Amino acid sequence: ELKVEQNPLFLSMQEGKNYTIYCNYSTTSDRLYWYRQDPGKSLESLFVLLSNGAVKQEGRLMASLDTKARLSTLHITAAVHDLSATYFCAVDKDSNYQLIWGAGTKLIIKP
Amino acid sequence: KAGVTQTPRYLIKTRGQQVTLSCSPISGHRSVSWYQQTPGQGLQFLFEYFSETQRNKGNFPGRFSGRQFSNSRSEMNVSTLELGDSALYLCASSLAAGGAGTEAFFGQGTRLTVV
Repeated sequence: ELKVEQNPLFLSMQEGKNYTIYCNYSTTSDRLYWYRQDPGKSLESLFVLLSNGAVKQEGRLMASLDTKARLSTLHITAAVHDLSATYFCAVDKDSNYQLIWGAGTKLIIKP
Repeated sequence: KAGVTQTPRYLIKTRGQQVTLSCSPISGHRSVSWYQQTPGQGLQFLFEYFSETQRNKGNFPGRFSGRQFSNSRSEMNVSTLELGDSALYLCASSLAAGGAGTEAFFGQGTRLTVV
């Protein structure tokens, strides 16, 4: 059974700091997704990582994928308050759009 | 370009009733997936449809069912509602192609409350 674990589950940090969210998964997969969710809102797609060594960056967020270690990271650089949200990683079981989700990391960035 | 549209946005039903939720994917997208989000269980996969065929189903009871129409619009139905079915139901659409077509876009969700 595919399991996806995120850590930390909660992160409070100051603006301007850097931090990393980790996403481990238990079986091989070649698709990993990162999403952002604001309170009461839907899921916003951030990144899709499709191959080992893939790295994608958008603004202050950078995601990477190591399929051999079954690990993805979401790195936040010089955090700003607007990045406060819950971040989810999800792994596509069998590459058929059956996403298995991590529990989410609630990120609070204090001004 | 219109996004994924889910209707209704909010719904209140009584235990024992049934409910139908609708999802219109992005134009040209052929894959529609459904997810349930609750504070206790997080995000859980319900089912996925492609070209009117259910390709995968999550670990939910038979009270949860769905279908997809020839225009790729999808509906999910929950019969004999229970209090535990209260959740945010999200649908996602995708081109279901390789590369950039892999990305899955979510609708705003339908918040179902069972009383």
